[in-house]
Amino acid sequence: ETGVTQTPRHLVMGMTNKKSLKCEQHLGHNAMYWYKQSAKKPLELMFVYNFKEQTENNSVPSRFSPECPNSSHLFLHLHTLQPEDSALYLCASSQDRRTTSGNTIYFGEGSWLTVV
Amino acid sequence: EDKVVQSPLSLVVHEGDTVTLNCSYEVTNFRSLLWYKQEKKAPTFLFMLTSSGIEKKSGRLSSILDKKELFSILNITATQTGDSAVYLCAVEASNYQLIWGAGTKLIIKP
Repeated sequence: ETGVTQTPRHLVMGMTNKKSLKCEQHLGHNAMYWYKQSAKKPLELMFVYNFKEQTENNSVPSRFSPECPNSSHLFLHLHTLQPEDSALYLCASSQDRRTTSGNTIYFGEGSWLTVV
Repeated sequence: EDKVVQSPLSLVVHEGDTVTLNCSYEVTNFRSLLWYKQEKKAPTFLFMLTSSGIEKKSGRLSSILDKKELFSILNITATQTGDSAVYLCAVEASNYQLIWGAGTKLIIKP
């Protein structure tokens, strides 16, 4: 247990569906992240929230929509996805945005997404 | 463009062997280098390195950073089947961005 919980663990959705991924952290952290992990590729940072404010959006298509209602919860809303969006989506948190201050980034176990 | 390259991409060894995993980087304004272990679940933190030449050690795992030659190695001695995982390297750059490598998939055969 890393203190970061993601649901659902597996999701299969059609290209016209709307679904959401949920992340909750029990660590008292202030920064939360969404990453995409595809096979044999580096982790891709999608979004960063620091103290509930979105600080980064790394050119992510608008079919992915993040929401951070409070510092413990993070959502990723999905709509009209493409088959190439199939991947492992990892949520993470850290004390704040800076890892060199001694903070480390803690990951959830991920949500496996398959778009059919 | 900032990049982190890990090698090899995959490695198969027998239990008891020693392995060395490599991570080289070209990153603007280096701040730190991190190693993570990912089994079929959440990546878990192993080491953070900020200074050259100082070995970090945890049990059979150790890591060292060379900021002149821009690389780090992760050593695992007396490997066990439980060491089978993907090992991820990331470098924290300017603006606190983490640049990730593609990982090394390590398989330990009994």
